[in-house]
Amino acid sequence: AQTVTQSQPEMSVQEAETVTLSCTYDTSESNYYLFWYKQPPSRQMILVIRQEAYKQQNATENRFSVNFQKAAKSFSLKISDSQLGDTAMYFCAFSNTNAGKSTFGDGTTLTVKP
Amino acid sequence: EAQVTQNPRYLITVTGKKLTVTCSQNMNHEYMSWYRQDPGLGLRQIYYSMNVEVTDKGDVPEGYKVSRKEKRNFPLILESPSPNQTSLYFCASRWTAGELFFGEGSRLTVL
Repeated sequence: AQTVTQSQPEMSVQEAETVTLSCTYDTSESNYYLFWYKQPPSRQMILVIRQEAYKQQNATENRFSVNFQKAAKSFSLKISDSQLGDTAMYFCAFSNTNAGKSTFGDGTTLTVKP
Repeated sequence: EAQVTQNPRYLITVTGKKLTVTCSQNMNHEYMSWYRQDPGLGLRQIYYSMNVEVTDKGDVPEGYKVSRKEKRNFPLILESPSPNQTSLYFCASRWTAGELFFGEGSRLTVL
């Protein structure tokens, strides 16, 4: 069974600063996806970034980037130039390729302070 | 507009009164899934469906039923709700692989 661990229940960062959210996972699979989802106070789940395990290059989406360390089973999210609108809960998630199970971490609540 | 639609968005019910939460997607996705979100526990998978007439248990299936008779619909059925099923429920869909597209959530309270 897969497990996803987010060791930081809460974090805060000053506006315009950079913050990194940690995520580790455990799996015996070789092909899989990793995701970061954002859940603002509206409760809507929004995809932030995705990473296919077979790709060595770290994914980047504007101010969001990941540090994917496959051997260490680590998948951290870096948010650059933090904005007030980044305040949300962030979930790390694992999904087998072409399979049904999806596993989420417990979430990290990020607060961006003005 | 591509979307996943859940209904109802909010529901208060009593123990033992059967209820159904509907979920519909308009993206022709093969895969659909239900999750519950509780404080400090992240999202936990209840059931998923890889395609029509194909369903399987997630991590917390007890007390729930699902069916997938049509590709676009995946209702969640609580035959005899109990207070420990009070939660925020999300339906989601995706292609065979890739990211999930989520509904807006259904807040259920069982008294």
